[in-house]
Amino acid sequence: AQKVTQAQTEISVVEKEDVTLDCVYETRDTTYYLFWYKQPPSGELVFLIRRNSFDEQNEISGRYSWNFQKSTSSFNFTITASQVVDSAVYFCALSGVRGGSYIPTFGRGTSLIVHP
Amino acid sequence: GAGVSQSPSNKVTEKGKDVELRCDPISGHTALYWYRQSLGQGLEFLIYFQGNSAPDKSGLPSDRFSAERTGGSVSTLTIQRTQQEDSAVYLCASSSPGGFSGANVLTFGAGSRLTVL
Repeated sequence: AQKVTQAQTEISVVEKEDVTLDCVYETRDTTYYLFWYKQPPSGELVFLIRRNSFDEQNEISGRYSWNFQKSTSSFNFTITASQVVDSAVYFCALSGVRGGSYIPTFGRGTSLIVHP
Repeated sequence: GAGVSQSPSNKVTEKGKDVELRCDPISGHTALYWYRQSLGQGLEFLIYFQGNSAPDKSGLPSDRFSAERTGGSVSTLTIQRTQQEDSAVYLCASSSPGGFSGANVLTFGAGSRLTVL
């Protein structure tokens, strides 16, 4: 069975602070994919990033960066110099490639509030 | 269409009534997913379609819930004899190329908010 844990329910920061959203996963698959999605107040989840289990290189996209560590089964997401527009609920998700595990399993989400 | 469309966006119903929620996926997306989002509960998987068939119905919470997909396109989620615990946002997503690939990126609709009084 797959499991995704986002232990942080809500994080509140002031604009320009850096913030890291934690994601820890469990899977028995050796090949799997990890995702982050953003759900702004308007409601629609939007895809941010996908990583496969064989690529542990960290990735940076503007103010966003992702740290994938298989040794600790974590896929953390850092926002540098946060902005009010970053306020949203962020979901981490995991999917495998065998049996029913290809259906993405989502964490409970972390609500990020960025204050001006 | 350009995105995933869901209707109605909001539905208020009385306990015991039946409701139908509709999802129109992105044209050409063969895979379609239904999730339920309850406050503080994250996204709960309900059912997955590949084309018109549903290889995985494991997430449907009870036999009051059913779903179908016709023409490899529009899907309808039906909840019979609604209960208050059914109140949630029902999200539909689609992906391409579909198939049994964990690599699929999902495109979500805006959801249907169901309130059962």
